[in-house]
Amino acid sequence: QKEVEQDPGPLSVPEGAIVSLNCTYSNSAFQYFMWYRQYSRKGPELLMYTYSSGNKEDGRFTAQVDKSSKYISLFIRDSQPSDSATYLCAMSENTGFQKLVFGTGTRLLVSP
Amino acid sequence: NAGVMQNPRHLVRRRGQEARLRCSPMKGHSHVYWYRQLPEEGLKFMVYLQKENIIDESGMPKERFSAEFPKEGPSILRIQQVVRGDSAAYFCASSPQVLDDTQYFGPGTRLTVL
Repeated sequence: QKEVEQDPGPLSVPEGAIVSLNCTYSNSAFQYFMWYRQYSRKGPELLMYTYSSGNKEDGRFTAQVDKSSKYISLFIRDSQPSDSATYLCAMSENTGFQKLVFGTGTRLLVSP
Repeated sequence: NAGVMQNPRHLVRRRGQEARLRCSPMKGHSHVYWYRQLPEEGLKFMVYLQKENIIDESGMPKERFSAEFPKEGPSILRIQQVVRGDSAAYFCASSPQVLDDTQYFGPGTRLTVL
């Protein structure tokens, strides 16, 4: 079993839809949770960062962490074609440095 | 403010040759991380370095792979005697502090082994 599980998709939605992306994990020691966006043939770009449980909102993006269920989510409101990319969840323990453990990524396609 | 720079962006090697991948962290960043992304897989941690020190190399294959981050110049990931299974995208990330809130990734080097 992988430490971090993520549905690879693709997830296809029409422009303006609310998108929900999710990851589950098995390591209860994870404390830091991140979402990265990766366009084709590019490096990952940090979107959201959360420490421990709770919600965090930044513009059209909301990140949720439920440590009791070992489940994290990223919501995208009013999705745009420019949001089409692969979304990677990543997490790390609090062991002195951030050795990120990534999910495999979910490919999102937003059609005009 | 330049981001993390990696070169070359694309590298083609024949089996048995050596591959050298370079990473220049963002200005002011002294922590460098290397990750490998195999096709259809997520990024996998390889090694974490500070200037002149390897802090954690738990993700590095035991043989043929090495990394350095000298006092001057870029960080280097070196793969000796490459095999086809080494074909992947190699990403470098940097951060200004150990537990800073983000690692900034470079554009990656895509290694193809013929």
